[in-house]
Amino acid sequence: EIVMTQSPATLSVSPGERATLSCRASQSVSSKLGWYQQKLGQAPRLLIYDASTRATGLPARFSGSGSGTEFTLTISSLQSEDFAVYYCQQYNNWPRTFGQGTKVEI
Amino acid sequence: EVQLVESGGGLVQPGGSLRLSCVASGFTFGSFEMNWVRQAPGKGLEWVSYISSGGSTIYYADSVKGRFTISRDNAKNSLNLQMNSLRVEDTAVYYCARGWQRLDYWGQGTLVTVSS
Repeated sequence: EIVMTQSPATLSVSPGERATLSCRASQSVSSKLGWYQQKLGQAPRLLIYDASTRATGLPARFSGSGSGTEFTLTISSLQSEDFAVYYCQQYNNWPRTFGQGTKVEI
Repeated sequence: EVQLVESGGGLVQPGGSLRLSCVASGFTFGSFEMNWVRQAPGKGLEWVSYISSGGSTIYYADSVKGRFTISRDNAKNSLNLQMNSLRVEDTAVYYCARGWQRLDYWGQGTLVTVSS
């Protein structure tokens, strides 16, 4: 099983600041990686797939990068609606596995 | 508009059974692979099971293998999860989600509580 490790666990930022979230895989997942956003009491929402492709309608302030074992989600200028928990997920192998999440808070 | 609506959650005793359903609309259900993903209270996401569009290929997480059975009825646009021999650690919100690789649409989830 591929273990996904996200850092940091919690990221404290102010609106308008840049946020950088990291995700590391225990073995290469190529570019088969997605990022999801989950707000309190809501279902997860796909943000980024194939490591760097934005989902339909996603604002350009969200960007993803990386391949192999190291990945990054960047939010260039945090808006109030971006405060949430973010998960990475690999889909290169079965079982599909998620990171433990990064909480982005004020 | 794509919609996934789960149902069937509730309170069940350890060792009991429960059947979850997910009804899909807004897309050609029979053309898409589907999954169940769960989230224990206050915890992260855990992929549970996958079924191919025609139902011929199925995968399970080790934590549920032999106890849970995924199935689908493409004529009724529905996805199911039969959960047997339930354990306290199966307590979670269960989401259905569309996709083979990325999970591009999710339902709102149904809560399963396993407790005596």
